[in-house]
Parts: sequence; structure tokens; C-alpha cells
Amino acid sequence: DQQVKQNSPSLSVQEGRISILNCDYTNSMFDYFLWYKKYPAEGPTFLISISSIKDKNEDGRFTVFLNKSAKHLSLHIVPSQPGDSAVYFCAANRGGAGSYQLTFGKGTKLSVIP
Amino acid sequence: DGGITQSPKYLFRKEGQNVTLSCEQNLNHDAMYWYRQDPGQGLRLIYYSQIVNDFQKGDIAEGYSVSREKKESFPLTVTSAQKNPTAFYLCASSISSSSYEQYFGPGTRLTVT
Repeated sequence: DQQVKQNSPSLSVQEGRISILNCDYTNSMFDYFLWYKKYPAEGPTFLISISSIKDKNEDGRFTVFLNKSAKHLSLHIVPSQPGDSAVYFCAANRGGAGSYQLTFGKGTKLSVIP
Repeated sequence: DGGITQSPKYLFRKEGQNVTLSCEQNLNHDAMYWYRQDPGQGLRLIYYSQIVNDFQKGDIAEGYSVSREKKESFPLTVTSAQKNPTAFYLCASSISSSSYEQYFGPGTRLTVT
């Protein structure tokens, strides 16, 4: 049972335009969400996160939106740059006991076309 | 430079052999983790350790073993009992086990033939 779902395996966007990566979750116990960026043959790099008490968090070109009622979050990258081409993983964490564990989606491969 | 190192980057073994993957961190983080990534899949937790001399099984611990004798080191042994050992293995750490953000090493690609 996949608790974190990234339904788009890939996404192509023109340089300078907005990239929107989506993530859905099923476990209502999740209270913290993270986005990681991963290049081939490298470890994931932490990008941005959001607590369930917020609906938006912004960091430079990256903004994460959380819709708790829909159990949906999205990562917006504006403007998109060729260096943003990578696989993006959504991850979720539930607080309290077991807070050690991040549950990851399968990732979305973003290609930014110059 | 603080960070997490994993060695080697590529590792080849014959079926039936045990192999140990190295993970070292100099971030002074208490918690460490091992994940496995397969093509087209997310990361799955193998083992984690909250403090020295303590570790717990994750979702897919069968066929793996770990030790945590030092804060900086969390080696993973892939035993011959692991049915599908070929994968990309990632080590991560966090300040504590209650810290949400985990920081990853560069990974080791293990190929067993």
C-alpha cells in the first residue's frame, strides 16, 4: 500500500516557465512533508519542507503548497532552470513514535528544456 | 567540510558472498539510516539507529545486518540471504531521530551476479 504517491513519473517544462510537481498521501497521521532533489548516481538533496500546520512555504524559486483536506501537496519551481533537471521525491513523516521514518514517493523526473 | 561519505561508489560481488557497505558522517548527528532504491521506486528504509549501540529494523531488513559501535559510523552488511541485493544503497543521518530532515550520502551501487 503506497502511502505517498507521485502519479507523474516525468514532466517536461521550458526554461523560464513554472514547474509544478504533485504529491498525494493517504495517511492522515503524516504531519511533516519534505521534497528532495536527486541527480543520477547521487544521494538525494533536501530541498524544502512544510509542516502540516502551514499551507505554504517559500524558499527562493521553490514553493511548497499543502492542502490537508485533499491530502495533496505540490512543489512549484519558478522560473525553471536547466539545472533543475533531476528526479524529485516527495517524502512524509509522522510525528511522535516512529518519527524516524520518512515515507517516500516513487519520484518525478523533471526535464527543463533550454 | 561536514558531510556523509559512502564507499565504494560501485561494488561488484558474486552471489553467495556477504558484502559490507561503509557509511561515515562527521556532522555529529545522532541518528543514521540505510535506504535502498530500486529503478522507478522510492527509497525504502532498511535499518536505522537512533544512538550508538542501538539500531532498529526498517521495512525491508531481511537479509541485512548493521552495527553502530561509533557515532560516526553505520556500516551495512548485505548477506547472502538477501534475495535481490542488486540496488542503489543510500545512507542518511539526522541530528536526532525526532528531527524530520535527513541528509544523504552519495550512495553505493551494488551489483551481485
